[in-house]
Amino acid sequence: AQTVTQSQPEMSVQEAETVTLSCTYDTSESDYYLFWYKQPPSRQMILVIRQEAYKQQNATENRFSVNFQKAAKSFSLKISDSQLGDAAMYFCAYRRTGNQFYFGTGTSLTVIP
Amino acid sequence: DSGVTQTPKHLITATGQRVTLRCSPRSGDLSVYWYQQSLDQGLQFLIQYYNGEERAKGNILERFSAQQFPDLHSELNLSSLELGDSALYFCASSDLGSYYGYTFGSGTRLTVV
Repeated sequence: AQTVTQSQPEMSVQEAETVTLSCTYDTSESDYYLFWYKQPPSRQMILVIRQEAYKQQNATENRFSVNFQKAAKSFSLKISDSQLGDAAMYFCAYRRTGNQFYFGTGTSLTVIP
Repeated sequence: DSGVTQTPKHLITATGQRVTLRCSPRSGDLSVYWYQQSLDQGLQFLIQYYNGEERAKGNILERFSAQQFPDLHSELNLSSLELGDSALYFCASSDLGSYYGYTFGSGTRLTVV
């Protein structure tokens, strides 16, 4: 069974600083996809970044980047130059064969002005 | 606007009642997924449809059912409602492979009183 674990229920970061959110997953598949979603107070789920497991290069989207360690089954999200608008719940997700996504329990990020 | 439309946005109903949640997927997406987000349980996969056919079931109660119509919109029916069914219900859609992630609707907030 695939499981996704986010061990940090809450994190905080000073505005303009960098923060890293952790995610680990368990799988027996060799080819898969990983995602980070952001859920601001509006409750809308917004895709932040995706990573293809067969690609060694870490994905980057502007201030957001990942550290993908396939052997360790780790997929952390780094937010650089944090902004007030980054305050949200962040969910790590694993796409399994069959297109279903498994989500972690989320990390609530607070950005301190 | 994500392109996935969910109605209604809010719903308040009494225990024992039945409600129907509606979802229109993003244009071109054939797959529809339903998720339940409770305060303490993260996002739980309920059911998946592809082009009108059920593809996978998750932790969906027997009191819940869903279908996808020829025009690809989907409905989630919740019956004999209990207080514990109060949650945010998300619909998401994707293309065939969902390799680029799900596109989520804004959710339906269901409150059972």
